[in-house]
Amino acid sequence: EPEVTQTPSHQVTQMGQEVILRCVPISNHLYFYWYRQILGQKVEFLVSFYNNEISEKSEIFDDQFSVERPDGSNFTLKIRSTKLEDSAMYFCASTKNMNTEAFFGQGTRLTVV
Amino acid sequence: AQSVTQPDIHITVSEGASLELRCNYSYGATPYLFWYVQSPGQGLQLLLKYFSGDTLVQGIKGFEAEFKRSQSSFNLRKPSVHWSDAAEYFCAVALALRGNKLVFGAGTILRVKS
Repeated sequence: EPEVTQTPSHQVTQMGQEVILRCVPISNHLYFYWYRQILGQKVEFLVSFYNNEISEKSEIFDDQFSVERPDGSNFTLKIRSTKLEDSAMYFCASTKNMNTEAFFGQGTRLTVV
Repeated sequence: AQSVTQPDIHITVSEGASLELRCNYSYGATPYLFWYVQSPGQGLQLLLKYFSGDTLVQGIKGFEAEFKRSQSSFNLRKPSVHWSDAAEYFCAVALALRGNKLVFGAGTILRVKS
């Protein structure tokens, strides 16, 4: 069964460092998303991406964040200068088209120290 | 404001007992509705979804959910809980015609006692 894969599963980084979280969405999916879940809190939408551009972003997704689809398979989330409050589980998701269910990856646990 | 409410933070049921997890949403139109499950340290797995049609939907692992427009609810049910169902359950909604941006409820942690 096709699945969304994320790497790494866990990343520890120092405050102020740049991190790149990687995702491989399901191959025939066209819409890609990043969500995050701070420990003990709700899963929150960060950004959606379609046709090589951001289609929607939340207030959380400020200038420190960026997304890219550098090739035909990967979808990345970059945080330029990490803060302690960026520590969270980051989930990548993809959907086949606009109004179908989202499939999620296993998540990357980011710890900023 | 648009929101999803799961009023129960924790629920404990005995193995073999029935289960109902509540979900209410506040939107101007009927959204698309989903239930996801998250086991410890794992990702989000889709249990079931409602887009249109029959308001009682069947999902994986023996779960079902019923959409009630008049109550703006989408409660998740299972007639007989197994110990492996212990996990956190999230209700989520997406607005049609706004892509599939999901808004999640706060989650309900299910404990199963033997």
